[in-house]
Amino acid sequence: EPEVTQTPSHQVTQMGQEVILRCVPISNHLYFYWYRQILGQKVEFLVSFYNNEISEKSEIFDDQFSVERPDGSNFTLKIRSTQLEVSAMYFCASSGDYNSPLHFGNGTRLTVT
Amino acid sequence: AQTVTQSQPEMSVQEAETVTLSCTYDTSESDYYLFWYKQPPSRQMILVIRQEAYKQQNATENRFSVNFQKAAKSFSLKISDSQLGDAAMYFCASLHPLDSNYQLIWGAGTKLIIKP
Repeated sequence: EPEVTQTPSHQVTQMGQEVILRCVPISNHLYFYWYRQILGQKVEFLVSFYNNEISEKSEIFDDQFSVERPDGSNFTLKIRSTQLEVSAMYFCASSGDYNSPLHFGNGTRLTVT
Repeated sequence: AQTVTQSQPEMSVQEAETVTLSCTYDTSESDYYLFWYKQPPSRQMILVIRQEAYKQQNATENRFSVNFQKAAKSFSLKISDSQLGDAAMYFCASLHPLDSNYQLIWGAGTKLIIKP
């Protein structure tokens, strides 16, 4: 069964550094999402992406964050100048249709030290 | 604004017994979708069950079923014959295509503990 893949599974970075979290959505999906889950807390929506542009973003998704679909397969989340508070589990998800269930990747645990 | 509330931070059940996880939501839309996701310690997010609001029949998937009460805006998950592998965090979520631009609205989660 096709699945969403995320790399790396764990990313450790120092404060102030830039990180890129990578996701390969299911190949025929059109809608892409990033979520995050700070340990033990609620899963939070970050951004949705469709037709090569951001469809919706939350207040969490400020100028520090950006998303890109650099080619036909990858969907990346870039975090500039990381701070301690962005340490979290970041989930990528995709869906084939606006009302289809999201398929989540396994997540990338980002640790900022 | 849409909200999803899971009032049980933690539930425990004896193996082989039945447990019900509660979820309520708030929306003014008539067309929406409801989901239960399971998040085991591996941190994956696994879709357990899905319900379209326009369907009156409760969704079922093997040992998992829902009690969808549209008027009461309630969407509880029943797990029958609980197994040790069911232990996980369970998230209720709603999808509102028109109002939230396909954004999933998540509940806070319920931690399910299975006692052997």
